[in-house]
Amino acid sequence: DADVTQTPRNRITKTGKRIMLECSQTKGHDRMYWYRQDPGLGLRLIYYSFDVKDINKGEISDGYSVSRQAQAKFSLSLESAIPNQTALYFCATSLSSSPDEQYFGPGTRLTVT
Amino acid sequence: SQKIEQNSEALNIQEGKTATLTCNYTNYSPAYLQWYRQDPGRGPVFLLLIRENEKEKRKERLKVTFDTTLKQSLFHITASQPADSATYLCALDITGGGNKLTFGTGTQLKVEL
Repeated sequence: DADVTQTPRNRITKTGKRIMLECSQTKGHDRMYWYRQDPGLGLRLIYYSFDVKDINKGEISDGYSVSRQAQAKFSLSLESAIPNQTALYFCATSLSSSPDEQYFGPGTRLTVT
Repeated sequence: SQKIEQNSEALNIQEGKTATLTCNYTNYSPAYLQWYRQDPGRGPVFLLLIRENEKEKRKERLKVTFDTTLKQSLFHITASQPADSATYLCALDITGGGNKLTFGTGTQLKVEL
């Protein structure tokens, strides 16, 4: 079974809809991250969490919110989706010690029409 | 602002040759730098981490160098194979701690028979 899972894997939604992307991990890592990837722009950090009670904004947090429901679960919400949020979204985890490699999920392809 | 530059043009090489990818950065002195591999539609996979006090790191056919004076890392794949074809991303922690990574946009490598 995959260590970092994301649901859904693909989603098409309409402008203005609320949508939640979910991430679960079985690695026992404290740190979790949400990124989006756009062609030509690379991976950009949206939010990150170093433990259940710690949530931090990343480079591009506007229009997004997150919830760390448990050590193993980190959800990303788009309160009112807009077309320029169409992208590939990745969740990642890492150990609490730094530096450390990040383990990425398979990604969610989101299309906002 | 922090900038991480990777050659956006695809690198095409012949099987068996050595591929060399470049990562340049400005305005920061990272304590370490990481390299990831990403296949189309999939999450990045960690390859190597090199610290600022390490000039070179090797793992099987992979070699990474880190020149903090030039602010540059080179990533080499020796005896390249078609299976090495992918996009390679460099990443560094711009905060100086906490494993909050900023990624380059990646360089696509194509290894031809």
